[in-house]
Amino acid sequence: NAGVTQTPKFQVLKTGQSMTLQCAQDMNHNSMYWYRQDPGMGLRLIYYSASEGTTDKGEVPNGYNVSRLNKREFSLRLESAAPSQTSVYFCASSEVFTYGYTFGSGTRLTVV
Amino acid sequence: EDQVTQSPEALRLQEGESSSLNCSYTVSGLRGLFWYRQDPGKGPEFLFTLYSAGEEKEKERLKATLTKKESFLHITAPKPEDSATYLCAVLNAGNNRKLIWGLGTSLAVNP
Repeated sequence: NAGVTQTPKFQVLKTGQSMTLQCAQDMNHNSMYWYRQDPGMGLRLIYYSASEGTTDKGEVPNGYNVSRLNKREFSLRLESAAPSQTSVYFCASSEVFTYGYTFGSGTRLTVV
Repeated sequence: EDQVTQSPEALRLQEGESSSLNCSYTVSGLRGLFWYRQDPGKGPEFLFTLYSAGEEKEKERLKATLTKKESFLHITAPKPEDSATYLCAVLNAGNNRKLIWGLGTSLAVNP
C-alpha cells in the first residue's frame, strides 16, 4: 500500500549540477503531476502528465524537464540547477484530473 | 483572474473549541473544489472534493460545505491531532487540468 513514492528525500546540489527526481505510483492512476512548494508561494505546478505518453507544462516549467516513462513512473529532471530551484518538490497522481490527488512525501532540494 | 484566498492564515484553538476555516474563490466556472490537510514535512493529504453549490461532505470531526463563492471547513470539537495546515484548491471549468491553490490555514489545537 505504498501510494506515491518519491526519491530521494533530501538532496544538496551545487549550482550547475544536474539531477533527476524519481516518482512512482502503484494505484494505476492515469494522471501524474510535479509541484514545488515554497514559503509564501504555495503549491505551483511544474509539469503534468494527463495520461501515459503525454506531458504538458504547468505554471513554472522553466529549468525543468519531465519524462512519463510508463503509467507508473514520472520523473523530473533539473539540467543545470540554480539556487532559485531550492524548494520542496512533490509528485502527485490521480485517477482523473477531477478527482483528489495522492501526494508523495516530497524531496527537499537545496542548491548552493 | 482566477484566485483562491484562504482565511485566516493561522488559527489557534483550545481542544473542543469548534471553528471554521474559509476558502473564497474567483473562477469563471467551478469544476471542483478540493480540501487537503498537510502535516509538517509531509505531502498534502486529500480530504474532500465538492462539485456544486449546496454540497456537503463529512469525515470524522470535519465537514466541508460549498456555496457559489466560498467553501467552509467546519471543525467540530477539535483534538490536538487535528493540528495541521489545511489547503484549498479549485479546478476551473474552462481551464485544462491545473488546480488553483490557496496558501492554506495553519491550525494549532492546544490540549
